[in-house]
Amino acid sequence: DTAVSQTPKYLVTQMGNDKSIKCEQNLGHDTMYWYKQDSKKFLKIMFSYNNKELIINETVPNRFSPKSPDKAHLNLHINSLELGDSAVYFCASSQDLTGYGYTFGSGTRLTVV
Amino acid sequence: AQSVTQLDSQVPVFEEAPVELRCNYSSSVSVYLFWYVQYPNQGLQLLLKYLSGSTLVKGINGFEAEFNKSQTSFHLRKPSVHISDTAEYFCAVKTSYDKVIFGPGTSLSVIP
Repeated sequence: DTAVSQTPKYLVTQMGNDKSIKCEQNLGHDTMYWYKQDSKKFLKIMFSYNNKELIINETVPNRFSPKSPDKAHLNLHINSLELGDSAVYFCASSQDLTGYGYTFGSGTRLTVV
Repeated sequence: AQSVTQLDSQVPVFEEAPVELRCNYSSSVSVYLFWYVQYPNQGLQLLLKYLSGSTLVKGINGFEAEFNKSQTSFHLRKPSVHISDTAEYFCAVKTSYDKVIFGPGTSLSVIP
């Protein structure tokens, strides 16, 4: 069983489209995160949720909207995709807000053309 | 605000040689420190972490790291690397309930 699973693994789409990435964890963790990894491998946090409540909302364009229907799921919806959104998006979870070690998903490679 | 510096963006090393990947952080308060490894086309995996106690921390795959508070460093070491250690290595820092900040990464290439 995959602990943190993301779908899809690859996503190629045209500028202006709207797309969603789904994330599910079966670890019973309370806290989930979205990170963006750019082409230089730099990792930047985007959002974090704790028990379905938004905790961290970094300076991310409001075209990005996270949704957490329950504490095992954290989805990312992106409106009006731009070329600069091309990156690998990672979902992660931790037992609680202390974050003493994350479990990462395998990533979603988003390419906007 | 805390930050993480990884001084070497790329480290080539011959198989069975020792390696040290350097990490320095800046923070005005106590920190928790982590090393993660990312194999090609995969997510990050926790190698080891320092929360408190002994400054020498042992992790998976034969890696260890030493926390040095006076030098604000948390360097990662392995006495003998294998081809399978070729990957990207990330140092990370957090304080209490703050978010984790990742360093820019070090690409380790093991040469046969």
